[in-house]
Amino acid sequence: QSVLTQPPSVSGAPGQRVTISCTGSSSNIGAGYDVHWYQQLPGTAPKLLIYGNSNRPSGVPDRFSGSKSGTSASLAITGLQAEDEADYYCQSYDSSLSEVFGTGTKVTVL
Amino acid sequence: QVQLQESGPGLVKPSGTLSLTCAVSGGSISSSNWWSWIRQPPGKGLEWIGEIYHSGSTNYNPSLKSRVTISVDKSKNQFSLKLSSVTAADTAVYYCARKGAIAAAEDFYHYWGQGTLVTVSS
Repeated sequence: QSVLTQPPSVSGAPGQRVTISCTGSSSNIGAGYDVHWYQQLPGTAPKLLIYGNSNRPSGVPDRFSGSKSGTSASLAITGLQAEDEADYYCQSYDSSLSEVFGTGTKVTVL
Repeated sequence: QVQLQESGPGLVKPSGTLSLTCAVSGGSISSSNWWSWIRQPPGKGLEWIGEIYHSGSTNYNPSLKSRVTISVDKSKNQFSLKLSSVTAADTAVYYCARKGAIAAAEDFYHYWGQGTLVTVSS
């Protein structure tokens, strides 16, 4: 079982803003370790979306943004588009378990 | 552009050993990066299995550590995974991936293989 908890699903209409939370503890996010986010389209490998809490790799639209505070992190998608429908995972380091991924969140565009 | 490609048997018998290889192209396995294995059971989330550096140093998920061995073959520019005593719970898509630059403490995965499904069944 993952030590990073995400909501199973979030949904929104095209153009809306949605946020995905990633809740950890004092042994991972709260210990100061960075949080990274991945987007996984059906049948494909995860793709890096946000690294170092809030940085976007080249080519990732600025509709995607990340933040971190305390023992949690968040991914926001503004101006939701149909192609954003995917699974999203957070990742961090845990002092007892090494690398850990979140439970995953399915984003549905209504 | 670094590319990773997993290969190995798609079917393994219960109690047997799962063996996969990840071939690296477009870059050297001797670069300053950790090389990892990550898996995803059908319909479920991602689970980190472990990682290796070209020197042979390894880190493993404590929940799998007793059954996992990751090795590197610098001459072939590839690294491998062995998971012993497998059960149906080990059925998953297995991904190999590369972490960012060690010097910059980039502990995220920018490069992933396409993944390979391994089914444990008799």
